[in-house]
Amino acid sequence: EPEVTQTPSHQVTQMGQEVILRCVPISNHLYFYWYRQILGQKVEFLVSFYNNEISEKSEIFDDQFSVERPDGSNFTLKIRSTKLEDSAMYFCASSEVQVYGYTFGSGTRLTVV
Amino acid sequence: AQTVTQSQPEMSVQEAETVTLSCTYDTSESDYYLFWYKQPPSRQMILVIRQEAYKQQNATENRFSVNFQKAAKSFSLKISDSQLGDAAMYFCAYRTTFNNNDMRFGAGTRLTVKP
Repeated sequence: EPEVTQTPSHQVTQMGQEVILRCVPISNHLYFYWYRQILGQKVEFLVSFYNNEISEKSEIFDDQFSVERPDGSNFTLKIRSTKLEDSAMYFCASSEVQVYGYTFGSGTRLTVV
Repeated sequence: AQTVTQSQPEMSVQEAETVTLSCTYDTSESDYYLFWYKQPPSRQMILVIRQEAYKQQNATENRFSVNFQKAAKSFSLKISDSQLGDAAMYFCAYRTTFNNNDMRFGAGTRLTVKP
């Protein structure tokens, strides 16, 4: 069964450093998303991406965040200057059409120290 | 704004028994999608079941079924013949049909299965 692949599975970074979280969505999917889950809390929407541009973003997705689809397969989330409160599980997801639920990747656990 | 409420932070069930997880949501829209996701200790989000609001028939997927009450804005998940592998966090989620974005999740219910 097709999968959404996320790398790395765990990233530790120092506060103030830039991190790039990588995702390979399912190949025929057209819609891409980033969500995050702070430990013990609910899953929160960050951003959605379609046709090579952001289609919607939440209030969490401020200027320190950016997304990119640098080639035909990868979908990245960049956090420019990490803060302690950015520590969370970051999930990438993709979907083919809106009638289906998303397929989530297995997540990247980001720890900011 | 749409909100999703899961009023049971934790539930437990005996192996082979049946358990029902509750979910309510708030929306002014008439057409939307509802989902249940399972998050085992591995933290991966796994789609369990989905329901289109325009369908009156409750969705069923093997041992998992839903009780969708549109007027009451209720979407409960029933797990029959519970297995040890069902132990996980379960998240109820809502998504509008008007855009393809912003799936809203509830806070989750942690399900424990006792052998």
